[in-house]
Amino acid sequence: DTGVSQDPRHKITKRGQNVTFRCDPISEHNRLYWYRQTLGQGPEFLTYFQNEAQLEKSRLLSDRFSAERPKGSFSTLEIQRTEQGDSAMYLCASSLVGSEQYFGPGTRLTVT
Amino acid sequence: AQSVTQLGSHVSVSEGALVLLRCNYSSSVPPYLFWYVQYPNQGLQLLLKYTSAATLVKGINGFEAEFKKSETSFHLTKPSAHMSDAAEYFCAVSVDTGFQKLVFGTGTRLLVSP
Repeated sequence: DTGVSQDPRHKITKRGQNVTFRCDPISEHNRLYWYRQTLGQGPEFLTYFQNEAQLEKSRLLSDRFSAERPKGSFSTLEIQRTEQGDSAMYLCASSLVGSEQYFGPGTRLTVT
Repeated sequence: AQSVTQLGSHVSVSEGALVLLRCNYSSSVPPYLFWYVQYPNQGLQLLLKYTSAATLVKGINGFEAEFKKSETSFHLTKPSAHMSDAAEYFCAVSVDTGFQKLVFGTGTRLLVSP
């Protein structure tokens, strides 16, 4: 068990650029979650997958955001036309059905 | 909708003193409750969880929490603080058995002085 990993750990981008983050869950976990955490706040749920199916999306996930988990293993979160308000820590978590979530170290996005 | 409120954005204690971090929840159905800890530039680590078995839940690193339905509370305690306990602590609630979505509080930063 190597834990949940995320790449990159830090990303600085200019407003209007597209960015993509990757999350590799714990290998046997069939659920994968994305959260966003802004400074001084707790994480906010964005979306989750069970295997390759995206089962729920928060209203926080605007049209500029898209997440995929093509083979039920790793997942990507893409933000198109980034805005300064997108600056945050993006956290990925994974779990077995009915079990607690294990979080990765996060990707810190800074939009300049 | 379910929510949690963490009273006190910062709590300061001396090393060896009692740690008490407060969490109150709001839920129309029996909740599942969690405490997570976050160290600087790291992800969240689960300290403990309440899933309707025992109301007093013991977690890692000497932490425990008690579920009190009458007070809608799930406060986190540790008898004796250690310098390594300094971190951000988050209370979270889920109302589905699959824990599909966690709703987090705003967090409490614990400061431990020598």
